[in-house]
Amino acid sequence: DQQVKQNSPSLSVQEGRISILNCDYTNSMFDYFLWYKKYPAEGPTFLISISSIKDKNEDGRFTVFLNKSAKHLSLHIVPSQPGDSAVYFCAAGDSGTYKYIFGTGTRLKVLA
Amino acid sequence: GAGVSQSPSNKVTEKGKDVELRCDPISGHTALYWYRQSLGQGLEFLIYFQGNSAPDKSGLPSDRFSAERTGGSVSTLTIQRTQQEDSAVYLCASSLAGGGNIQYFGAGTRLSVL
Repeated sequence: DQQVKQNSPSLSVQEGRISILNCDYTNSMFDYFLWYKKYPAEGPTFLISISSIKDKNEDGRFTVFLNKSAKHLSLHIVPSQPGDSAVYFCAAGDSGTYKYIFGTGTRLKVLA
Repeated sequence: GAGVSQSPSNKVTEKGKDVELRCDPISGHTALYWYRQSLGQGLEFLIYFQGNSAPDKSGLPSDRFSAERTGGSVSTLTIQRTQQEDSAVYLCASSLAGGGNIQYFGAGTRLSVL
């Protein structure tokens, strides 16, 4: 049973537009959420995180939104750039432990 | 180097053989994780080391899998009697500590069992 789901395996967006990547989780104990970006033949790299005490965290072009009641988080990239083309993983966990559950990833393609 | 280093980057082996995958974490990072990513799947937690504490092996899929971490630094993941379903990318990550700290990943080892 997948505790963290990324239901869109792929997404294509025009350069300059907004990219919205979605993630749903089932465990209400999760209180810390992260997004990682992965290029081919490289390991995932940390992008942005949010704790459950917030509903929004922003870092430059990247913003993560958390809706606890819906157990849903999303990553917004504005404006999208061709270099953003990668696979994006969301991860969720209990900050009191060290285990994070990762989603299956969404492949983003930003078209020039 | 400054990042997490994994070797080999690719490993092709025959079914039934043993393999060893190596991870050099970032210097000073006390926490080390192993994950597996099978085709079309997310990152599957395998094992976690934190300092000198006993490792959390709860994610290891079978007793053919084992891992050790020597001197609190380098870690080796061993898969005995490999099976075709073991084919995956094995990723290692390290962090300053567990619990809420950002994990830094290596590039992974792509294992192919023929």
